[in-house]
Formats: sequence, C-alpha cells, structure tokens
Amino acid sequence: QSALTQPASVSGSPGQSITISCTGTSSDVGSYNLVSWYQQHPGKAPKLMIYEGSKRPSGVSNRFSGSKSGNTASLTISGLQAEDEADYYCCSYAGSTFYVFGTGTKVTVL
Amino acid sequence: EVQLVESGGGLVQPGGSLRLSCAASGFTFSSYWMHWVRQAPGKGLVWVSRINSDGSTTSYADSVKGRFTISRDNAKNTLYLQMNSLRAEDTAVYYCARVAVGMYNFDNWGQGTLVTVSS
Repeated sequence: QSALTQPASVSGSPGQSITISCTGTSSDVGSYNLVSWYQQHPGKAPKLMIYEGSKRPSGVSNRFSGSKSGNTASLTISGLQAEDEADYYCCSYAGSTFYVFGTGTKVTVL
Repeated sequence: EVQLVESGGGLVQPGGSLRLSCAASGFTFSSYWMHWVRQAPGKGLVWVSRINSDGSTTSYADSVKGRFTISRDNAKNTLYLQMNSLRAEDTAVYYCARVAVGMYNFDNWGQGTLVTVSS
C-alpha cells in the first residue's frame, strides 16, 4: 500500500480558510467513506479531528470540516487561528483491516 | 479519562529484539481493537499492526510481517508489540491507538515510545 498523497505544506493568514487534499486510489479513499484526519503538534501525539469523511468528534471545533470526491478527500480549516499551526495527516481504511496514512501536510499560519 | 501509556522503547542493535507495551486505563480495554502506528524521525505516520478485541485476529503491514507480533492481555489491560530482527528503518516513535468496534478511526493515542535501531 502506498501512502496517500498530500501537499507538503499549506499556509494562510489568520481568519482565512485553507484546504488540504488527500489523494488515494479506488482501493482506499475511493472505495470507502472512511477517511479520518489527524492533527499533530510538534512532539505530541496525533489527535483525531475528522472521521468517516466529514464527522467531527466531540470537542473539535466546527471550523474543521471534511469532504470527499472520488479518490480525493479534503480537510478545510476555516477562520484559521495560530493554534491550528501543526502537521495534518489523512488516513483511509484500505480493506482487509489495513489502513494507509497520507504523507502529511504542514500548516503554517502567516 | 482515557489513557494509553507506551513503554519499552530504547536503543537496540540491528538484528536485535524489543518488546513494547501499552498500558490502557479509563475505558473497557477488552471492547476495543488496538493498533500500533509508527513515525520515523521527521517523517509521517505509518500503520504497523492491529489486533481485534479478544486477540483472536491480527494484521500487519508488509514491512513488518514475519518480524513483529502484536498481542494483548485483556486481564492486564495491556497491548504488546514484540519486535524481532530489527532494522535501521524500524527506528521510529511507536504509538498505540484504539479503535472502537465498528469504527475505522483512531480516537485516542498514547504519547509514543522511541525505538532506535543502531550499532
């Protein structure tokens, strides 16, 4: 299984919206509506932000939203804040109890 | 409060072995599937292995199949990863993470334990 493809970096000014893409194949992202997104600050464990493509866990800001079209999933952060600066990873179920993560995107708040 | 605490990492020579542990608390451990995910220094997350709630089935990434063994002791609320024939490319922070039955996302993670394979 190859890693899902994400842009290496995305940046935006406070208050702006940014979108991170996550491109897989018809065997993973395209086959299942089971993409999750994780936020990771330096030296910290990942934190679940979005699951099943567009659902937010309790406690996660509604500034975070997810979607999917074909083999590509997306995470949008609206009203960008300084605390959103972190690495973001997508992850897709790939069948037969296997999972594949994205390459990761560094979000910078200008 | 859900807690997952990994331990057992350290420095090991190529070809050596190490056993990682993940102590769980704050939830019904035996009701969750458990996974190991690793992250090489400065690199991305990579799924390694998973075990179902009663320990009867397991899965592994191709890169560790035949060398790593995942197991659990539900009486002790502990997850394990036995790592044999270690290689330099196994150097990483190893995280344990839980997945609720019927779900497909990692909703809680441990803080990770660093494994360094070097001579």
